[in-house]
Amino acid sequence: DTGVSQNPRHKITKRGQNVTFRCDPISEHNRLYWYRQTLGQGPEFLTYFQNEAQLEKSRLLSDRFSAERPKGSFSTLEIQRTEQGDSAMYLCASSPDGVSNQPQHFGDGTRLSIL
Amino acid sequence: AQSVTQLGSHVSVSEGALVLLRCNYSSSVPPYLFWYVQYPNQGLQLLLKYTTGATLVKGINGFEAEFKKSETSFHLTKPSAHMSDAAEYFCAVNVPGFKTIFGAGTRLFVKA
Repeated sequence: DTGVSQNPRHKITKRGQNVTFRCDPISEHNRLYWYRQTLGQGPEFLTYFQNEAQLEKSRLLSDRFSAERPKGSFSTLEIQRTEQGDSAMYLCASSPDGVSNQPQHFGDGTRLSIL
Repeated sequence: AQSVTQLGSHVSVSEGALVLLRCNYSSSVPPYLFWYVQYPNQGLQLLLKYTTGATLVKGINGFEAEFKKSETSFHLTKPSAHMSDAAEYFCAVNVPGFKTIFGAGTRLFVKA
């Protein structure tokens, strides 16, 4: 169990630029989740995958956001035309298949700062 | 709809004192409840979980929590605080469809 890995750990970019984050889940976990966390708040659900299928997207996920999980392994989260309000910590988590009493395993997150 | 409320955004205790972090939940189905801890610039780490069975759940680092259905509570306790316990703590509930709803968090300060 090597844990959930996220890259990069920090990203600083100018407003209007596109950014992409990567998440590598625990290898045997079929479910992968993306959350956004702002200062003083708990993680807010963005989207999740069952293998390569994106099963649900939050209303928080505007059309500037897109997530993929090709081949059901790693996932990417892209934000296009970044805005100041996108500054946050983006967390990825994974869990075993389809069992709701299981906790999620989190990566250390990618902190995005928009200048 | 499921929700989680954590009472107190900040809690301060002296080293060696009792830690009590409060969590109340709302759930239309039997809940699966969790406490996570987050240290600065890190992700969330599971402290403990309640699914079914014994209502007093023991976790890592000496923490425990008691599920009280009548009070819809899942408060986190530790008999004696240590400086290393200073962190942000999140109560969470799993909802049908396997999403997790998090509370807003409680930051624990431990004074020497």
